[in-house]
Amino acid sequence: EAQVTQNPRYLITVTGKKLTVTCSQNMNHEYMSWYRQDPGLGLRQIYYSMNVEVTDKGDVPEGYKVSRKEKRNFPLILESPSPNQTSLYFCASRGGTSSYNEQFFGPGTRLTVL
Amino acid sequence: QKEVEQNSGPLSVPEGAIASLNCTYSDRGSQSFFWYRQYSGKSPELIMSIYSNGDKEDGRFTAQLNKASQYVSLLIRDSQPSDSATYLCASIRGGGYQKVTFGTGTKLQVIP
Repeated sequence: EAQVTQNPRYLITVTGKKLTVTCSQNMNHEYMSWYRQDPGLGLRQIYYSMNVEVTDKGDVPEGYKVSRKEKRNFPLILESPSPNQTSLYFCASRGGTSSYNEQFFGPGTRLTVL
Repeated sequence: QKEVEQNSGPLSVPEGAIASLNCTYSDRGSQSFFWYRQYSGKSPELIMSIYSNGDKEDGRFTAQLNKASQYVSLLIRDSQPSDSATYLCASIRGGGYQKVTFGTGTKLQVIP
């Protein structure tokens, strides 16, 4: 089954404790992206990657890191999480870098930083 | 000014009616437009994509694009209670610029 997977689905952590949210897709997609979703603010892009070793900032990259060492994986790293990073996070992938390609979303990771 | 703007709603329509959802965008370089449906706590799922001026129909859904007016809309005919969700409008710039911009979404309630 073609899908985007994220782990963990739910995470409660404390301020300053480094964490990684994994994202993997099995569709051989070139483009991958991370979003956060907050009430009243909608979906905002954090980082995106057009291919292996190619990443770029979205609208809200502060406090986040990403890496793209393999085509299928695009982990999101929070080196020192803070309470304002409490949010619902989505990973997405798209087949090709054409703007016409459909984007597929993972199931989401609900992160709470205390 | 937000790059992609939507009325947050809620938009309430009776079952069987036409629901009309609207979206405006400010970036004239935007090339592709997408409508997603999102149920509470779930991930967005694509309903329609549109790239050219005019209408595009798929079943009960019709997307409309007017690049001169920088306006995108989604019509849902014969609305069903299962259509009750938040509808997100998204745009992507053309060329090598790959940032995706979403509106904040419009909540639709279909009243049985």
